[in-house]
Amino acid sequence: NAGVTQTPKFQVLKTGQSMTLQCAQDMNHNSMYWYRQDPGMGLRLIYYSASEGTTDKGEVPNGYNVSRLNKREFSLRLESAAPSQTSVYFCASSVTGTTDTQYFGPGTRLTVL
Amino acid sequence: QQQVKQSPQSLIVQKGGISIINCAYENTAFDYFPWYQQFPGKGPALLIAIRPDVSEKKEGRFTISFNKSAKQFSLHIMDSQPGDSATYFCAAAPASGTYKYIFGTGTRLKVLA
Repeated sequence: NAGVTQTPKFQVLKTGQSMTLQCAQDMNHNSMYWYRQDPGMGLRLIYYSASEGTTDKGEVPNGYNVSRLNKREFSLRLESAAPSQTSVYFCASSVTGTTDTQYFGPGTRLTVL
Repeated sequence: QQQVKQSPQSLIVQKGGISIINCAYENTAFDYFPWYQQFPGKGPALLIAIRPDVSEKKEGRFTISFNKSAKQFSLHIMDSQPGDSATYFCAAAPASGTYKYIFGTGTRLKVLA
């Protein structure tokens, strides 16, 4: 089992460019999440998908879109990157929500110049 | 009301000492409190979690103490080891009906050999 995988590991973008961060899990989990981690801010939820076919906004959704492609895959898209989106992005998954353990991927370090 | 306040921001402990990290919350609807451990370059991983129906939960050298009336909970690491050097995040969520964890801002722990 690979667990939660994320691609790419590192990315540098120029302001205004777009990109998609990919996430996949092989644990047959129903729920998936995208977080961003910034120094001194902890982990903040961007979007989540409670189950295949559903997505909802988290704490900081502005500037992002998501797609739950199937049960395994959950992608995060930046349509027009801004320097404020420089961060480390983590994908996570859980069996369902709340009290189920969230399993995190290794992260994508994104720099927007 | 949605915040979880975590302290200290950083902590240095001698090998064999006790590490203590504190968190406080306002939202009385929170009733699930996990702690996550994150090593550099890795995603966070669940360390231990507690529900407020107990005041303490112990797993090996790691103990969560919970004070419901004060709306505070803390992580104690007994006999701290250099391998415990990591960033620790507390989190809180209602036990049902939501997929949204609120994370604290993190504590960077360094255990000196």
